[in-house]
Amino acid sequence: QEQLVESGGGVVQPGRSLRLSCAASGFTFSSYAMHWVRQAPGKGLEWVAVISYDGDTKYYADSVKGRFTISRDYSKRTLYLQMNSLRVEDTAVFYCARGVGPSPPLIDYWGQGTPVTVSS
Amino acid sequence: DIQMTQSPSSLSASVGDRVTITCRASQGIRHDLGWYQQKPGQAPKRLIYAASSLQSGVPSRFSGSGSGTEFTLTISSLQPEDFATYYCLQHNTYPLTFGQGTRVEIK
Repeated sequence: QEQLVESGGGVVQPGRSLRLSCAASGFTFSSYAMHWVRQAPGKGLEWVAVISYDGDTKYYADSVKGRFTISRDYSKRTLYLQMNSLRVEDTAVFYCARGVGPSPPLIDYWGQGTPVTVSS
Repeated sequence: DIQMTQSPSSLSASVGDRVTITCRASQGIRHDLGWYQQKPGQAPKRLIYAASSLQSGVPSRFSGSGSGTEFTLTISSLQPEDFATYYCLQHNTYPLTFGQGTRVEIK
């Protein structure tokens, strides 16, 4: 069955960088768009970014545009989120999620999340 | 950006109660809406897609309705395992936007 496993989270100082990974299994990775969604402590869900099934199209939330980059490696069946110039307000659990259907694709399956803490 | 206004933000209900949660979109989004359930410490789980289609494996006591700007999630008879936070998500236009969430608590 479908499985998404995030990794790479941790504690980082403001202004530094971090790269998150999401390993996909149980489905044809190259056929689906993939999203990142985050949730700050005690808060609601915030969509972050999406990459199309073929990697050609990417969209970002304004809050991360120019700082975060979404990418994917088909040979490794892995989704990435490169996060630069991190801010305290980026502290959150980051979820990768599969997108299904025509663009914009709706999220169906979610990973369990990886926590990111930005603090000095 | 499309704003999704979800109400109520929280509610208290008893087992067996009928519960209704509403999401209003700031502009028309056709049927491009999903509903998700999230329990503490867990990832969200999709319940409804295309506003009214039940996700495979989700109990039939969950149902969704609406189109355009107003949508509802109904739990026909609340069960102990349904106490959680519920979110709507519009996928009509980027950026995707979530409602603020509705926390369903035990009365």
